[in-house]
Amino acid sequence: EAQVTQNPRYLITVTGKKLTVTCSQNMNHEYMSWYRQDPGLGLRQIYYSMNVEVTDKGDVPEGYKVSRKEKRNFPLILESPSPNQTSLYFCASSFGGRQETQYFGPGTRLLVL
Amino acid sequence: GENVGLHLPTLSVQEGDNSIINCAYSNSASDYFIWYKQESGKGPQFIIDIRSNMDKRQGQRVTVLLNKTVKHLSLQIAATQPGDSAVYFCAEAYDKVIFGPGTSLSVIP
Repeated sequence: EAQVTQNPRYLITVTGKKLTVTCSQNMNHEYMSWYRQDPGLGLRQIYYSMNVEVTDKGDVPEGYKVSRKEKRNFPLILESPSPNQTSLYFCASSFGGRQETQYFGPGTRLLVL
Repeated sequence: GENVGLHLPTLSVQEGDNSIINCAYSNSASDYFIWYKQESGKGPQFIIDIRSNMDKRQGQRVTVLLNKTVKHLSLQIAATQPGDSAVYFCAEAYDKVIFGPGTSLSVIP
């Protein structure tokens, strides 16, 4: 089944404790992206990647890191999480880039205490 | 600034009626528009898209209308069913994708 998977789905952590949210897609998509979703603000892009070893900042990259060592994986790293990073995070992928349909993962709900 | 917004944050419709969800976009350079559906506890799911060289596109029970003159996008759902209850997002794309805040659609049985 073609899908985007994220792990973990739910995470509670404390300020400053490094964490990684994994994202994997099995559709051989070149483009992958991370979004955060907050009430009233819609989806905002954190980082995106056009291909392996190519990553770029989105609209809200502060406090986040990403890597794209393999085509299928695009982990999101929070080196020192803070409470304002409490949010619902979505990974997405598409074949050709922003102007192609993006397929979203199920989401990761993060609470930073 | 750049904005993709929705006229109504919530919409309630009777089962069987048609639903219309509206969206305004601000960038006249946007040339690709997408509607997503997000059910509770799930990620957004693609419904239908339209490119700027079209003004109407139909899918199964859904129609998207694009009015570039007034920068307006709408999603029409025919014969709305309880399974259509969800949050619907519009998005515009040019050199990046911007999502609207979403409209919550509730279907009354």
